[in-house]
Amino acid sequence: DQQVKQNSPSLSVQEGRISILNCDYTNSMFDYFLWYKKYPAEGPTFLISISSIKDKNEDGRFTVFLNKSAKHLSLHIVPSQPGDSAVYFCAARIYGGSQGNLIFGKGTKLSVKP
Amino acid sequence: ETGVTQSPTHLIKTRGQQVTLRCSSQSGHNTVSWYQQALGQGPQFIFQYYREEENGRGNFPPRFSGLQFPNYSSELNVNALELDDSALYLCASSLIAGTNEKLFFGSGTQLSVL
Repeated sequence: DQQVKQNSPSLSVQEGRISILNCDYTNSMFDYFLWYKKYPAEGPTFLISISSIKDKNEDGRFTVFLNKSAKHLSLHIVPSQPGDSAVYFCAARIYGGSQGNLIFGKGTKLSVKP
Repeated sequence: ETGVTQSPTHLIKTRGQQVTLRCSSQSGHNTVSWYQQALGQGPQFIFQYYREEENGRGNFPPRFSGLQFPNYSSELNVNALELDDSALYLCASSLIAGTNEKLFFGSGTQLSVL
């Protein structure tokens, strides 16, 4: 049973527009959420994170929103650039769990068209 | 580039064989985690090592084992390989200094079991 769900396998956006990637989770014990980006033939790279005590975190063009009551988070990229084309993974950590134990979604492939 | 290196990049084995995958952590990191990423799935946590001891394990059988060395390099060993073990194996390092340290991933080893 998937605890972290990314229901959109792919997303296509025009350059300069906003990209919104969504993630739903089922486990109320998650207390920290992260987004990773993965290019082909490379490992995932950290993008942005948010603690469960916050509802928003912003870093440049990237903003993550957390809605705890809906068990939903989203990643906004604005403006989108062709170099943002990659697979984006949502991940969560259980409170009190091993630091290295992240539970990942299946990923959403973002394509930003020039 | 994360500074986490994995070897080999690709490997082909036959069912029943044993395999050892290697990882060099980023300088200064004292924790290493291993993940399995099957095709079309997100990475799945195998286990974590801290100060040469396993201190967290996912839902993987005992034929998946590991080692962490004093220089913080690491090995993942898989015995009695099965066809379903075909996947990308990712190593990630981190520093346990705070509660929410992010993971730095290597590029992975692509294992094919025939």
